Amino acid sequence: EVQLVESGGGLVKPGGSLRLSCAASGFTFNTYTMIWVRQPPGKGLEWVSSISSQSNYIYYADSLKGRFTISRDNAKNSVLLQMNNLRAEDTAVYYCAKARYGYYFDSWGQGTLVTVSS
Amino acid sequence: DIQMTQSPSSLSASVGDRVTITCQASQDISNYLNWYQQKPGKAPKLLMYDASNLEIGVPSRFSGSGSGTYFTFTISSLQPEDIATYYCQQYENHFTFGPGTKVDIK
Repeated sequence: EVQLVESGGGLVKPGGSLRLSCAASGFTFNTYTMIWVRQPPGKGLEWVSSISSQSNYIYYADSLKGRFTISRDNAKNSVLLQMNNLRAEDTAVYYCAKARYGYYFDSWGQGTLVTVSS
Repeated sequence: DIQMTQSPSSLSASVGDRVTITCQASQDISNYLNWYQQKPGKAPKLLMYDASNLEIGVPSRFSGSGSGTYFTFTISSLQPEDIATYYCQQYENHFTFGPGTKVDIK
């Protein structure tokens, strides 16, 4: 059974940093593109970042303006999201997802809440 | 960037009704479109991929069609467990989700 478990969320002050982790199991992790998607409270879904299976291709939403960095550790079956210079508008539930063929987000974690507030 | 719109933003229908949601892309995305269902407090779930392909295990009352810039998603007979918000998502150029359509029971 595929499992994706996010961790690392919490309350952080504006300008602060946070590092999210997603632990994966139940599939051959090093063959899948992994995704981060976020959802502000009461709002819709926003793609944040993608990383290909061997980290050759990394993409970010334009709105992030270089503040976030995605990485993965295939030996540990984990994907990370380093978030710097956080703003109130980054407040959201952050989901990790597995992307079949790189395009179909077919398994999702339960999400981790990031709250940016003073 | 490719923008996605959906209509309606919300709808209320009776059990057994046919429900249709439309999704439009700001430019031609061929059939590079997926549909997701999100129930309250839960993670999204992939229902359809490539505009018209049903994900394994998803009931056949769900269907999708379209290509280019105009797409539809249909629930042929609304069931109580279908109460959710439905999102379209393009993957022609990175990924963009539509704003969602909230489906309720009348």
